Amino acid sequence: DAGITQSPRHKVTETGTPVTLRCHQTENHRYMYWYRQDPGHGLRLIHYSYGVKDTDKGEVSDGYSVSRSKTEDFLLTLESATSSQTSVYFCAISLGEAGGNEQYFGPGTRLTVT
Amino acid sequence: AQSVAQPEDQVNVAEGNPLTVKCTYSVSGNPYLFWYVQYPNRGLQFLLKYITGDNLVKGSYGFEAEFNKSQTSFHLKKPSALVSDSALYFCAAAKGTGFQKLVFGTGTRLLVSP
Repeated sequence: DAGITQSPRHKVTETGTPVTLRCHQTENHRYMYWYRQDPGHGLRLIHYSYGVKDTDKGEVSDGYSVSRSKTEDFLLTLESATSSQTSVYFCAISLGEAGGNEQYFGPGTRLTVT
Repeated sequence: AQSVAQPEDQVNVAEGNPLTVKCTYSVSGNPYLFWYVQYPNRGLQFLLKYITGDNLVKGSYGFEAEFNKSQTSFHLKKPSALVSDSALYFCAAAKGTGFQKLVFGTGTRLLVSP
């Protein structure tokens, strides 16, 4: 599982509150990703990082921000949670930049916004 | 824009029979193609990938996939299905150049009956 952990694993929060999800990896990989998984949509990329303090947006980045102050940690923040952000969130790493590198996924965080 | 289509929401097959899970892609240039499997309440696990070379790619757990450039397809196959193969399968694609951002299909649920 490439040493990826996510916390919390489950969270219920109220609309309008900020939420931060953490992804932690133990193997010093440079590239990290945040996805959300929703029925009928598969996985969609929210943000990704290609190094400490180097991040960029994915296809569904509105309402989300990320930070990476250390190689091992990639944080996803929902500034003001909405019900449309109820989802399962996955963190992933890849072993290199080249497109041929597969990604390895964490166990996921199930977020419910009420 | 890149896209991946998995035309079947669910595939049903009897144990011991061959299985096929379909995937078609739309990627400019030469694609990198992947299959992932997701078991209940788990993250995605990498199964196999096509980068270049032989059109038939072999992967984990006896799965293989056939790349067909003219039909822009990358179907997942297994000669003899097991009940334990029951899971959610995702096809994904990336451009052959540049930083790897995967685009996922919507997933196909495989149900193998005893």
